[in-house]
Amino acid sequence: TQLLEQSPQFLSIQEGENLTVYCNSSSVFSSLQWYRQEPGEGPVLLVTVVTGGEVKKLKRLTFQFGDARKDSSLHITAAQPGDTGLYLCAGADRTGGFKTIFGAGTRLFVKA
Amino acid sequence: GAGVSQSPSNKVTEKGKDVELRCDPISGHTALYWYRQRLGQGLEFLIYFQGNSAPDKSGLPSDRFSAERTGESVSTLTIQRTQQEDSAVYLCASSFQRGGETQYFGPGTRLLVL
Repeated sequence: TQLLEQSPQFLSIQEGENLTVYCNSSSVFSSLQWYRQEPGEGPVLLVTVVTGGEVKKLKRLTFQFGDARKDSSLHITAAQPGDTGLYLCAGADRTGGFKTIFGAGTRLFVKA
Repeated sequence: GAGVSQSPSNKVTEKGKDVELRCDPISGHTALYWYRQRLGQGLEFLIYFQGNSAPDKSGLPSDRFSAERTGESVSTLTIQRTQQEDSAVYLCASSFQRGGETQYFGPGTRLLVL
């Protein structure tokens, strides 16, 4: 059974601080995605990483895919209250079927 | 509309009643997914449809849960004899291709079983 473990589960920080969220698995994924979900809404895709070692930047967000394609991290620089939400990582394995496995999420709260 | 739509947005029902949830995917998207999200939790995969292929039902928690999809259009998720533990947000997503592609989520149906 493929599992994606996210840590920390909950994070409360002050505006301006940096943070890193981790997504780990013992399984190899063809690609890994990060979504952000705000209260009362469905998740929205932030980024997809495909290549081992890949780093993608989206403004103040930096995403990294592990060399072995088993783990990923999301780093936010100078967090803002608008970053508050649930961050979900999702892994896709095209060899064993086509459903996407979601982690349980990291709930981030950025205080002004 | 341009996005995935779900109805109803909220549903309150009594234990033991049947409920039907609806999802309208983005036009042209061949893949459709249903997920369950309990309060404060991540997404739990329920079922996946891809075109006219047999659906992947491996995530359905019990035989009280079933889902249908007509071709590449609307899908309905039915929960029979609802239980209080069925209370959750039920999210639908669609994607252009199978597996690993960007999933576009609807706003969800919030189900409360009393």
